[in-house]
Amino acid sequence: DGGITQSPKYLFRKEGQNVTLSCEQNLNHDAMYWYRQDPGQGLRLIYYSQIVNDFQKGDIAEGYSVSREKKESFPLTVTSAQKNPTAFYLCASSMAGQNEKLFFGSGTQLSVL
Amino acid sequence: GDSVTQMEGPVTLSEEAFLTINCTYTATGYPSLFWYVQYPGEGLQLLLKATKADDKGSNKGFEATYRKETTSFHLEKGSVQVSDSAVYFCALETGRRALTFGSGTRLQVQP
Repeated sequence: DGGITQSPKYLFRKEGQNVTLSCEQNLNHDAMYWYRQDPGQGLRLIYYSQIVNDFQKGDIAEGYSVSREKKESFPLTVTSAQKNPTAFYLCASSMAGQNEKLFFGSGTQLSVL
Repeated sequence: GDSVTQMEGPVTLSEEAFLTINCTYTATGYPSLFWYVQYPGEGLQLLLKATKADDKGSNKGFEATYRKETTSFHLEKGSVQVSDSAVYFCALETGRRALTFGSGTRLQVQP
């Protein structure tokens, strides 16, 4: 079955530690996105990539980094510079030119120890 | 910049009640409008969409009409079920980059 897979489902970060969230899709989608979801604030765009080896900052990119070395994969690193990382992180993908029809993964809940 | 404003929740209804969740937007140009639904522990799924003024999107008994004059896209359903309990997100897209989402409205339907 085609889909988008995020792992792990739950992740804990220690003070000063970098952690990486995985996002893989087998839908052959060109575009991939990372959103952060906080209670009462909806989804905010962190980074997005319309094509392999290219990505752009979203609204809240500070303290995060991404790479897009393969079409199927768009990992997100939460660095120690992100002072408030506790949130639910959602990855999404879409066909090129159809960025209104997003397919979402089931999310990763990141918490700080 | 683009923004979406939704009514705050939670909205609590009894089964078979009528549902309205308000959504208004601010955008440059002529956006496409969407409603997404998030069931507990899952990602978001597209529920319905409308791409131009006066269009009505519909799916699974839910409807929303694109009202350009009031910059609104309110979600309605005539008779809700317990299985409709979820968080509903209004969103817009202007073709520039990615969707802009509202803050979400939690719906709780009681039997």
